[in-house]
Amino acid sequence: DAKTTQPNSMESNEEEPVHLPCNHSTISGTDYIHWYRQLPSQGPEYVIHGLTSNVNNRMASLAIAEDRKSSTLILHRATLRDAAVYYCILRATDSWGKLQFGAGTQVVVTP
Amino acid sequence: EAGVTQFPSHSVIEKGQTVTLRCDPISGHDNLYWYRRVMGKEIKFLLHFVKESKQDESGMPNNRFLAERTGGTYSTLKVQPAELEDSGVYFCASSQELHSYNSPLHFGNGTRLTVT
Repeated sequence: DAKTTQPNSMESNEEEPVHLPCNHSTISGTDYIHWYRQLPSQGPEYVIHGLTSNVNNRMASLAIAEDRKSSTLILHRATLRDAAVYYCILRATDSWGKLQFGAGTQVVVTP
Repeated sequence: EAGVTQFPSHSVIEKGQTVTLRCDPISGHDNLYWYRRVMGKEIKFLLHFVKESKQDESGMPNNRFLAERTGGTYSTLKVQPAELEDSGVYFCASSQELHSYNSPLHFGNGTRLTVT
């Protein structure tokens, strides 16, 4: 399975945007890019996913590089509730729900 | 809608004992998954049910682990006998669409298992 690389941690001030990078240089043409996050003492929570085009939803935006070898999750205005570990995961079309979690990025939001 | 529910939230047992974890998926979700995070490691896939059938159990660590989903509703994960290295957090997840690889997974808050 293709792997992803994320920074270990990132800090942000409250109400400022957060840009979380993810590298996936071995991505295949049919892999979707998924993001999940895990708040303290909770299970992972789906955030967003995309294939080639940029995507927006109520939680975040996903910007995908033209060559698809990297992507960026954008939290437009960080709140204290956004402090979590964010996981960038490649989901192959034949993988069903077998997600491969890495270490993720720990996002710290300071007031 | 109610989310994925896991019971118990915590379990402390002695090595050699048996523990059964339960997961109630979101109503109508045919896909049910078990994952776990052992101490200091990443979250790992254990197995996947489609309704009552095991679609993929490639992540089950050994034959001390038995997962069932009778009737295609709730699922149980039994560890017998438990070993120290089984300590960790066990997550259950469900998703709706049978053949969609993009159907988001909805996770429960996990069962923290401690084997002493």
